[in-house]
Amino acid sequence: DSGVTQTPKHLITATGQRVTLRCSPRSGDLSVYWYQQSLDQGLQFLIQYYNGEERAKGNILERFSAQQFPDLHSELNLSSLELGDSALYFCASSDRSSGRNEQFFGPGTRLTVL
Amino acid sequence: AQRVTQPEKLLSVFKGAPVELKCNYSYSGSPELFWYVQYSRQRLQLLLRHISRESIKGFTADLNKGETSFHLKKPFAQEEDSAMYYCALLTQGGSEKLVFGKGTKLTVNP
Repeated sequence: DSGVTQTPKHLITATGQRVTLRCSPRSGDLSVYWYQQSLDQGLQFLIQYYNGEERAKGNILERFSAQQFPDLHSELNLSSLELGDSALYFCASSDRSSGRNEQFFGPGTRLTVL
Repeated sequence: AQRVTQPEKLLSVFKGAPVELKCNYSYSGSPELFWYVQYSRQRLQLLLRHISRESIKGFTADLNKGETSFHLKKPFAQEEDSAMYYCALLTQGGSEKLVFGKGTKLTVNP
């Protein structure tokens, strides 16, 4: 599959814990975006990386952080987890050089905090 | 402020009927708008970009800058169109994030 991949698919953890979500962009895409989808807030942009550097921040909590590695995969780290962090976390990638501005989404990681 | 509004949470139509999913936006710059679709338990997929003016799966959407709208239309709905539909605005100027509406769940009944 040459599309965006995310691992794990599901994650169940307890409050106060820390988890890492992983995303591999489409081959050749330098931009990676993270979004959170929850029932009350809908789809919210968290953060964008471009070729290893942070480009933009959205509604991302200080307990959350991300990075993009030299091989362009990205990780989203969520710490001191709270019940309200339970959500679906999507990663997307795009090829800005194409000028199409289209973002391709991964299947998401469903996080449940108990 | 950047905002996308989809006024209908739920929309139910019968097969063969026309369908229109409404989307209004608020953006100070030149908007670039998209429709994404999410079928049950699947990832978000791009359905339409306003710039390309394509017609995908029979859906079309026209950007109306005067009314700040980007409504999605299909003349004859099919059962397989049942899904969640999200309208999204791409912000520009360095921060190319998508601002999403809350989504409309479309159900096409037989």
